[in-house]
Amino acid sequence: GESVGLHLPTLSVQEGDNSIINCAYSNSASDYFIWYKQESGKGPQFIIDIRSNMDKRQGQRVTVLLNKTVKHLSLQIAATQPGDSAVYFCAEIKTGANNLFFGTGTRLTVIP
Amino acid sequence: DVKVTQSSRYLVKRTGEKVFLECVQDMDHENMFWYRQDPGLGLRLIYFSYDVKMKEKGDIPEGYSVSREKKERFSLILESASTNQTSMYLCASSWAGGANQPQHFGDGTRLSIL
Repeated sequence: GESVGLHLPTLSVQEGDNSIINCAYSNSASDYFIWYKQESGKGPQFIIDIRSNMDKRQGQRVTVLLNKTVKHLSLQIAATQPGDSAVYFCAEIKTGANNLFFGTGTRLTVIP
Repeated sequence: DVKVTQSSRYLVKRTGEKVFLECVQDMDHENMFWYRQDPGLGLRLIYFSYDVKMKEKGDIPEGYSVSREKKERFSLILESASTNQTSMYLCASSWAGGANQPQHFGDGTRLSIL
C-alpha cells in the first residue's frame, strides 16, 4: 500500500504486505530529515533519519528514500506487522537551525 | 536508550491558573524542546533551550514561558491558562552535536483547561 502523506492521511495495508508512506517537504534548504512513529497515547518515536547528501538509507525493515529534485521523502516498511499500526510523521530541519518542522502525519492501519 | 520523562500524563486546570509542566531527560542532552500537538495541526514548537538558563522562542511562544535551571530539566509554564491552551504537550531532547541529531520525545502531557 502507498500514501501521499498530506493528501491521504490514512493508509490501510494487509499484514505481510509492504507499506510506503510519502511526504512532500517544503523547504529546499532542509538537509536533515527524520521519520517518527507515534502510537496511541505515546510520544513520537524516532525510526530513521537521512541527510541530504544521501538518497537512500536502510534500517531494520525500514527504508527511507529522499528525492531532493522534487522535495519528496518516503518511508518503506517491509512485511508490515500489526505492531506497525501508528501515525507516521516526517520532519525536516535546516542545518544550523533547531526547529524541526513536522508534517501532519499519515495513519497506518495494518489489517490482520 | 534515551529516556525523556514528563511528570504528568493527564492534567486538568482552570482558566487563569498558572500551570507548570515538567520534563526530565537522562542522557545529558544539551538541547531541550517543548511542542504542542493538536489534531490537523501536527506538532508546533513553543520554546527550546540549547543550554542551561538559555531559551529561544519557537513558532508559538505567546502565553508560555520556560525555565531551564539544570541541564536535565526543562519546564513549560502557562502564565495564565486559557481554554485555547488545551492540548497535548510534548517534551523532547537532543544532542547538540556537530550535525543535526534526532530529537527524542516523552510520552506527553494531555492538558485540559476548563
